[in-house]
Amino acid sequence: DAKTTQPNSMESNEEEPVHLPCNHSTISGTDYIHWYRQLPSQGPEYVIHGLTSNVNNRMASLAIAEDRKSSTLILHRATLRDAAVYYCILARNDMRFGAGTRLTVKP
Amino acid sequence: EAGVAQSPRYKIIEKRQSVAFWCNPISGHATLYWYQQILGQGPKLLIQFQNNGVVDDSQLPKDRFSAERLKGVDSTLKIQPAKLEDSAVYLCASSPGRAGGYNEQFFGPGTRLTVL
Repeated sequence: DAKTTQPNSMESNEEEPVHLPCNHSTISGTDYIHWYRQLPSQGPEYVIHGLTSNVNNRMASLAIAEDRKSSTLILHRATLRDAAVYYCILARNDMRFGAGTRLTVKP
Repeated sequence: EAGVAQSPRYKIIEKRQSVAFWCNPISGHATLYWYQQILGQGPKLLIQFQNNGVVDDSQLPKDRFSAERLKGVDSTLKIQPAKLEDSAVYLCASSPGRAGGYNEQFFGPGTRLTVL
């Protein structure tokens, strides 16, 4: 299975943009790039996903490198409620989660 | 729209006992997943159903774990007998359409199992 590499943790200030990086150098042509987040004591929550082009939705933006070997999840204005573990996942027939990035948002 | 429902939310049992978890996916979702999440780790896929057929159960410890999805709707996951290392949160998720990377998954709140 193709794997992803994410920093263990990141910090951000409230109301500032956050860029969460993910490396996936072994990605195959049919792998979708998914991002989920998990707040304490909750199940994971879908954030965004894409294949080749950059994607935007009400929660975030996903920037995908031209060679697709890396991607960045962008939260445009972090709030305290965005503090969570963020998972970058390559999905084909199923999803294999890694350890994710723990995002801390400081007031 | 109602989300994925799971019960119970918490369960404490002694080792060697049996336990069952129930999941009701979002109405109309064809694909259902069971994950195990050990404290401090990401969720690990145990089994994936497409309607009432198993798509992938390669990571399910079949000597003690079993799952079924009768009639392609609700699903149950059973552990018999439980071991200490089965202590984890068991998450159920569903997605519309066929299994594939293009579909997002919707997760339930999970069942926290403690094995003493």
